[in-house]
Amino acid sequence: GEDVEQSLFLSVREGDSSVINCTYTDSSSTYLYWYKQEPGAGLQLLTYIFSNMDMKQDQRLTVLLNKKDKHLSLRIADTQTGDSAIYFCAERGNTDKLIFGTGTRLQVFP
Amino acid sequence: DVKVTQSSRYLVKRTGEKVFLECVQDMDHENMFWYRQDPGLGLRLIYFSYDVKMKEKGDIPEGYSVSREKKERFSLILESASTNQTSMYLCASGRSISYEQYFGPGTRLTVT
Repeated sequence: GEDVEQSLFLSVREGDSSVINCTYTDSSSTYLYWYKQEPGAGLQLLTYIFSNMDMKQDQRLTVLLNKKDKHLSLRIADTQTGDSAIYFCAERGNTDKLIFGTGTRLQVFP
Repeated sequence: DVKVTQSSRYLVKRTGEKVFLECVQDMDHENMFWYRQDPGLGLRLIYFSYDVKMKEKGDIPEGYSVSREKKERFSLILESASTNQTSMYLCASGRSISYEQYFGPGTRLTVT
């Protein structure tokens, strides 16, 4: 079945760039998403990319999609302490269901 | 702004109790979802509903049931709570053709 994988932890210094990676298995994915979960809160959609795109930029966020390798990444430029959270990658195939990764906990230190 | 609310932020129940988790959305969305979130496992879909009185099993429906009598409300029911159902439960809603799901704040359920 479909599977989405992420590393569990990432630690970066404030001001550096963060890159969170994700791999997925479903080649029929139509949309791929990045969600952010702050402590004690639900998930908030950060950005998404349609499967026929290679890159999407939105302010400090850059999403790169390598469809051949089924690899998605989220780059956060100038990472701030407020970016500390869990980041979930998710993919959507031909249904309304989302398949989520395990989440990557990003820790930003001064 | 889309709002998805869940009836409780924290809940403590005893083994064997019947537990109801309520979710309400105010944007007339067709689809509603229940997930559970566990460390290292991400979000796993329990059940979803694409219309009133309609439901579909997700990836881990065992031990759960759902009810959707009104479009805005989707309830998750644990018929007889067990300790392995201790988890964070997240509700979400969305339109059928929309790319986005909107999440509630979550209910942290502890079964003792």
